[in-house]
Amino acid sequence: EIVLTQSPGTLSLSPGERATLSCRASQSVSSSYLAWYQQKPGQAPRLLIYGASSRATGIPDRFSGSGSGTDFTLTISRLEPEDFAVYYCQQYGSSPRTFGQGTRLENK
Amino acid sequence: EVQLVESGGGLVKPGGSLRLSCAASGFTFSSYTMNWVRQAPGRGLEWVSSISSSSSYIYDSDSVKGRFTISRDNAKNSLYLQMNSLRAEDTAVYYCARNPPGWVYAAYLDYWGQGTLVTVSS
Repeated sequence: EIVLTQSPGTLSLSPGERATLSCRASQSVSSSYLAWYQQKPGQAPRLLIYGASSRATGIPDRFSGSGSGTDFTLTISRLEPEDFAVYYCQQYGSSPRTFGQGTRLENK
Repeated sequence: EVQLVESGGGLVKPGGSLRLSCAASGFTFSSYTMNWVRQAPGRGLEWVSSISSSSSYIYDSDSVKGRFTISRDNAKNSLYLQMNSLRAEDTAVYYCARNPPGWVYAAYLDYWGQGTLVTVSS
């Protein structure tokens, strides 16, 4: 199975700053079938990005995804207070679909 | 509005059984592949099981194969997870989640329920 490694484990930033989160796969993710989710405490994950770079419905354009092959990035251009959460990547190019361990984005 | 509401979680002893349910509304349930995903306390996400729209295809993770059974009732807009031979490591919040339109198997998950907590402990 494909193992996804997210870095950093925790990212401390302030509102207004730019956040760059990384997701590296143990083997190439076919067709860039890579998604990103946001999860706040006590809530279900929310889909942000699919197909590596397509924003889900209702997601603000400050969220963007990029990458291909084994290296993917989620960028939040200017952090808003509500963006502090845990972010997970997930690959669905091969079975079984797998998730990364998460990056915690905390308010500095 | 798409809504997924899980129920049936609780405390169960090792070796015991539990049946989770997920009530769906706001979309044509019978047209979508549905999934269960779990999250152990303080941990990441793990896909558990998937079932296609007409129940023709069922896929389980190796960690639950032979112990958990996913099923659905399209007439009742409901998804189920029968969990047998439960172990401490099955303790988690279990989420019901939907595949996007047209994706039969492995896909991203476009809508999630709020989850139900299963605790396996003596």
